[in-house]
Formats: sequence, C-alpha cells, structure tokens
Amino acid sequence: ETGVTQTPRHLVMGMTNKKSLKCEQHLGHNAMYWYKQSAKKPLELMFVYNFKEQTENNSVPSRFSPECPNSSHLFLHLHTLQPEDSALYLCASSQSTENSGANVLTFGAGSRLTVL
Amino acid sequence: GQNIDQPTEMTATEGAIVQINCTYQTSGFNGLFWYQQHAGEAPTFLSYNVLDGLEEKGRFSSFLSRSKGYSYLLLKELQMKDSASYLCAVRDSNYQLIWGAGTKLIIKP
Repeated sequence: ETGVTQTPRHLVMGMTNKKSLKCEQHLGHNAMYWYKQSAKKPLELMFVYNFKEQTENNSVPSRFSPECPNSSHLFLHLHTLQPEDSALYLCASSQSTENSGANVLTFGAGSRLTVL
Repeated sequence: GQNIDQPTEMTATEGAIVQINCTYQTSGFNGLFWYQQHAGEAPTFLSYNVLDGLEEKGRFSSFLSRSKGYSYLLLKELQMKDSASYLCAVRDSNYQLIWGAGTKLIIKP
C-alpha cells in the first residue's frame, strides 16, 4: 500500500461508546497530524506528532486521545463523544514539522464519524 | 485574528476557464497552498506559492500577490472531473497552516 490509509472509513457510535480511529502512512514521513473537517468550515488542527513526540494539542477536549506508537502509525481514541463531534476526521503526514521548504501534507481519505 | 476568505461555491461550464480567489489576513506569511478535495476523498496537493507571481502546472495555475494578501487558482479547459472542493491555506509566521473553508466547484456540461 502507498500513501496514507485511514480505517474505518465510516463509524457510527453512541455517546457512551469507546472507539478508535487508525491512520497508517507508507511514505517514510516523520510528522503525523489529526484534523477535524466539518461542513463549510476550515480544517481544524487537533494534534501533531513529530518523530513520535506530540508537539501540538490545539485545546482539544480530553474525550479525544491521540496515540503515536511509531512514525508510521497514529491513532485517535474516542470516548464519551458528543453529537457535535460528528465530522470527517482526516489524518495527514509530512516529512517533518521543521520550518523549511513546502513541507507538503499528504492526507488520508478520512474517517466519517457520526455520534448518536 | 487570522482569516482566509474564499467563495463558498462556484459554477462553471465544461471546457471553460474558472478563477477561484483566496484572500488572507495572517500573522506573517511563509507560503500559500492549494489543495483539491473530491467528495469522500483525501485532499490532494495542487500548488505552493511563496514568491509573487504565477506558477503554471498544466491546466492549473496559481497566482500570488503578497502585498495584496491575495491568491487565485486558475483552471483552464475545465473537465467534469474538476468538480471538487478547492482549499486555500496559508502558513503564518509560526509555520502554522491557516485554512479557508473551501470553494465547491460545480462543472456543468
């Protein structure tokens, strides 16, 4: 496989459930990101990992818990979510978070989450 | 605050030319990106501008004016497959990406 792969593509969960989103990249990148995409709104950066270390947490509620066991894998653990958390969750990767060059993001196709 | 403005939706005809504008007010500037996102798919990188002027890549061109805080994406010889959302993003002085809400482009035969 190539690029950035996200599973599951669709997830429906109740507010009391615990679930996880998975992201895997096969690009040899060192930085990985979680974004939230809601209809007609800009992408919201949630978490950033660089060389497995979390470098950014954009005031995300604790019901979202990221995990990055290695540079190729990223998880988003979900617990007691709210209906307003329903959105498309996009994973992305890049060479690193260093401030040089374009450092283009490569995105996965996203996990569509619906919270009932 | 920081802000990226782009039209919500545009409609164009197959074979024609369309220009999607993006204006920005950010704390500093370290490059502007355009991404294409088909419905249900990943955003994919189209272009990166860091200096003023026009960058051409086949049917797609991107223009930047840093003094005006303005960019546009120009799509020529439109094809039905160009129907997608186009996302504008600016990297600010802290190297954070600031995103626009995207422009949904509808191509009609």
